[in-house]
Amino acid sequence: GAVVSQHPSRVICKSGTSVKIECRSLDFQATTMFWYRQFPKQSLMLMATSNEGSKATYEQGVEKDKFLINHASLTLSTLTVTSAHPEDSSFYICSASTGGMENIQYFGAGTRLSVL
Amino acid sequence: GDSVTQMEGPVTLSEEAFLTINCTYTATGYPSLFWYVQYPGEGLQLLLKATKADDKGSNKGFEATYRKETTSFHLEKGSVQVSDSAVYFCALSGNTPLVFGKGTRLSVIA
Repeated sequence: GAVVSQHPSRVICKSGTSVKIECRSLDFQATTMFWYRQFPKQSLMLMATSNEGSKATYEQGVEKDKFLINHASLTLSTLTVTSAHPEDSSFYICSASTGGMENIQYFGAGTRLSVL
Repeated sequence: GDSVTQMEGPVTLSEEAFLTINCTYTATGYPSLFWYVQYPGEGLQLLLKATKADDKGSNKGFEATYRKETTSFHLEKGSVQVSDSAVYFCALSGNTPLVFGKGTRLSVIA
């Protein structure tokens, strides 16, 4: 199947700093990428949908100024958690959609963010 | 809106036991259906999929059949292994991004 690379896999930062997470589709072009947040032992919560070259669409309750999303190319989307606080600590997962008839989402391995 | 309901876990089985994880859905139109698996500390991996009624998805000994009449996509495996221990998510894709069930944690003991 298609490969989605997410980096870093783990990050620990101080409160008030910003953290950038990258999501790359390695062997296909993804017109749409998604960002999810997962709390311990829970399902994935969709944060935003990102389309190449346009502004991301955020789900209700997700602060767009806190979670900045940039989809600069067909293979790269980034999520920046600005001025991170301990409550932002979570597991963040990206996915990229193949589009077309199949329209399958392939997921990155996730990033565990710990804010001290 | 679209939704997915899957059986709550955790499910604990002995090695070589038969596995069924139930999944039913509500959707308008004709969604595609998926099972994803998440191993500890990792992202989600696509396990299998079915894109239309009566399709059977299969992979690594797991299978699920798209049943339109019962709006179900139950996951089955005839003989589980310890390495199958993970969280399994049923999902559908219609006119919106993937809609996930809450996940079912499977633990297989030797």
